[in-house]
Amino acid sequence: QVQLVESGGGVVQPGRSLRLSCAASGFTFSSYGMHWVRQAPGKGLEWVAVISYDGGKKFSTDSVTGRFTISRDNSKSTLYLQMNSLRAEDTAVYYCAKDFGYDSGTYLTHWGQGTLVTVSS
Amino acid sequence: DIVMTQSPDSLAVSLGERATINCKSSQSVLYNSNKKNYLAWYQQKPGQPPKLIFYWASTRESGVPDRFSGSGSGTDFTLTISSLQAEDVAVYYCQQYYSTPRLTFGGGTKVEIK
Repeated sequence: QVQLVESGGGVVQPGRSLRLSCAASGFTFSSYGMHWVRQAPGKGLEWVAVISYDGGKKFSTDSVTGRFTISRDNSKSTLYLQMNSLRAEDTAVYYCAKDFGYDSGTYLTHWGQGTLVTVSS
Repeated sequence: DIVMTQSPDSLAVSLGERATINCKSSQSVLYNSNKKNYLAWYQQKPGQPPKLIFYWASTRESGVPDRFSGSGSGTDFTLTISSLQAEDVAVYYCQQYYSTPRLTFGGGTKVEIK
């Protein structure tokens, strides 16, 4: 069955960097678009970024564009989120999620358990 | 971006009673060429990640009980739980994928037992 396991979260000071990983299994990773979605404590869901099946298309929400970079390694079935210049408002649980399709965004069929990122001095 | 607005923010329903959640989009998510509404619903139980329950507004995901139904078209959508069970306590989110790649979610509706 589909499994998505995030890692890399933790406590980081404002302005520093962190890289999240999401290890995928149970499906042909290289055939699907993948997303990062975050959820601030006690808040709703916020879409962060998407990458197409081959990494050829990448998009992100305005608040992270220029600071966060989504990437993937299909040989390792792993999704990444490089987060630079972190701010307090980036504090959230970060979920990776599998798209229904191969391109740049439809509905999200499977989600990981999430990894908590806390930005605090 | 398309703004998704859910109502109510929360509701308490007695076991066995009907729960109705509304979702309104700031512009139509109905794609005229295929007559499909680009809307999904998710269920998030406490301490768990979200789970897909509907896509194309009314197509139930495999394994979702048939007491759940999705309806609506254009800008107005409804998620209905016909007979609330204890395991349905959760926050429910709608999400549009019409303006892909910029996906947007509603603010969520918390369903509790009265």
